[in-house]
Amino acid sequence: EFQLVQSGTEVKKPGESLKISCKGSGYTFTKYWIGWVRQRPGKGLEWMGIVHPSDSDSRYSPSFQGQVTVSADKSINTAFLQWSTLKASDTAIYYCASGEYPNWFESWGQGTLVTVSS
Amino acid sequence: SYELTQSPSVSLFPGETARISCSGDALPIQFAFWYQQKAGRAPVLLIYKDTERPSGVPERFSGSISGTTATLTISGVRAEDEADYYCQSSPDSTSRFYLFGPGTKVTVL
Repeated sequence: EFQLVQSGTEVKKPGESLKISCKGSGYTFTKYWIGWVRQRPGKGLEWMGIVHPSDSDSRYSPSFQGQVTVSADKSINTAFLQWSTLKASDTAIYYCASGEYPNWFESWGQGTLVTVSS
Repeated sequence: SYELTQSPSVSLFPGETARISCSGDALPIQFAFWYQQKAGRAPVLLIYKDTERPSGVPERFSGSISGTTATLTISGVRAEDEADYYCQSSPDSTSRFYLFGPGTKVTVL
């Protein structure tokens, strides 16, 4: 069964760093793009970036370029979303999602809630 | 910067037909994709490549494209279809990123 399982809820302070994960199972991990989508409380979906685990080719929305890093470790079938300096405005649910092509997502993870508060 | 626009909300009774539009200048040359998100849940792919329906998605969901507007149609809406619906596309063929529309809230009365 095609499955994406994300890491658990995080509570961080502004200025801290964070790396959340998304583990794929039930399919060939290196054949599918994995992307990240932000959803702030009560708001819509925002496309952040995407990575291909076979060669780590990555693409970013201009809105998120330089703000986050997407990566993947094919040896453990896991993708990551990373911040070096969190802000309160990063408080959101972050979804990972996967697809054979970069322009759409066929399967989604359950979401990771990140709360950034002093 | 490029944007996709959607009507903010639609309210209708069970059995009626919902038409949800997504407008964008690049839609004549870039595919549109549609997702459904129910409250507290992760999104689910409903339509890909303008009109294609993944296996498991009910036939009452269909997609179409005309010029710069993509449309998601729900024929014979059910209470379980109450959700937010998002379109997704790309600004152009050379862009290496994609974006979502702001979403349309469908309320079944």
